[in-house]
Amino acid sequence: AQSVSQHNHHVILSEAASLELGCNYSYGGTVNLFWYVQYPGQHLQLLLKYFSGDPLVKGIKGFEAEFIKSKFSFNLRKPSVQWSDTAEYFCAVKGTGGFKTIFGAGTRLFVKA
Amino acid sequence: EAEVAQSPRYKITEKSQAVAFWCDPISGHATLYWYRQILGQGPELLVQFQDESVVDDSQLPKDRFSAERLKGVDSTLKIQPAELGDSAMYLCASSLWGEEQFFGPGTRLTVL
Repeated sequence: AQSVSQHNHHVILSEAASLELGCNYSYGGTVNLFWYVQYPGQHLQLLLKYFSGDPLVKGIKGFEAEFIKSKFSFNLRKPSVQWSDTAEYFCAVKGTGGFKTIFGAGTRLFVKA
Repeated sequence: EAEVAQSPRYKITEKSQAVAFWCDPISGHATLYWYRQILGQGPELLVQFQDESVVDDSQLPKDRFSAERLKGVDSTLKIQPAELGDSAMYLCASSLWGEEQFFGPGTRLTVL
């Protein structure tokens, strides 16, 4: 069965620090990968996605993620976080042969000004 | 900007009562999803529609939950009877081709 694991449930950083949020998945076939973000008081929204091609994908607001197939990982990175990046981040996986998208438990990021 | 609409935003009910949630997806989106999100966890798919057809309801507790999307546009999720463990956020999402999903604001259900 598909599963998604996010390593950190809570992360606290100071502004300008670098960010890396881990995501590992379990699935035997080809996958589409997503990071969604939920800012305080707002809806879940797409941050970035990977379907195929260059395994380093860039999203909105300076975020990027790297798909490492051999490690079943899709880690999210940002070189320098801002206070406005305070949010909850969800990694999600969808097998290309199936319908269902599986979400990780989420990582709550708090950035200190 | 087009958005997914959900109502009500908040619902408080007593156990054994019936509740219903409504979702209006972005116009033209064929795929509609209902998720349940328990505090501290990620969204869990309850049911997925492609137009008016259910394509996945494997995690829907069918003894008490039902969902419909009669004309392939808006959708209703019902719980009858509600139980204490149903307290959660119920999210609706839609997508054009089944990939990127657009989420609504959710309905927060509290069962007393």
